[in-house]
Amino acid sequence: ILNVEQSPQSLHVQEGDSTNFTCSFPSSNFYALHWYRWETAKSPEALFVMTLNGDEKKKGRISATLNTKEGYSYLYIKGSQPEDSATYLCAFIWAGSYQLTFGKGTKLSVIP
Amino acid sequence: DAGVTQSPTHLIKTRGQHVTLRCSPISGHKSVSWYQQVLGQGPQFIFQYYEKEERGRGNFPDRFSARQFPNYSSELNVNALLLGDSALYLCASSPIGDTDYGYTFGSGTRLTVV
Repeated sequence: ILNVEQSPQSLHVQEGDSTNFTCSFPSSNFYALHWYRWETAKSPEALFVMTLNGDEKKKGRISATLNTKEGYSYLYIKGSQPEDSATYLCAFIWAGSYQLTFGKGTKLSVIP
Repeated sequence: DAGVTQSPTHLIKTRGQHVTLRCSPISGHKSVSWYQQVLGQGPQFIFQYYEKEERGRGNFPDRFSARQFPNYSSELNVNALLLGDSALYLCASSPIGDTDYGYTFGSGTRLTVV
């Protein structure tokens, strides 16, 4: 059974705070890791596709790192804004597969 | 540019009935995937189609089937509906069948089985 774990399950931060979440995945047969942001009543939106150990990607105030040897990825948000409030999902893809295996997500609420 | 469109947005069905959900990918995208999301869980993979061929199937019973048409749109069919099939069904498209690209998701179809 392939388990993708995300922590914390939910998080409340004040506007301006920086925060980070964790995604843990199997370290064997790794192919890629995706991060998605899912705002209420909208579609999940792709943030990052990460494939190489040591990858670090950045989009504005959001960045992500990848460690395939130990099986984890971190998502960082610098200076959280209310519009960052959403559920952040990571999804693992193992070698030879085409499917995304999602974690349960981290629900972020940014308090103005 | 239209995104991934799904129809209907909501529907209510009775146990034992059949349902068809539809998805139109982004123009030029040849791969369509279907996911089921129940409350409190991450989306679960059901099917992926690329160039009208099934590329993968998740751990779902044979009551679930899908197909992709020449214009790359797709249908998900569920027979003999159970209460447990109540969920949000998401469709995702990508330009090619590989997973190097992030997927573009639709807003989903909310299915309620009563």
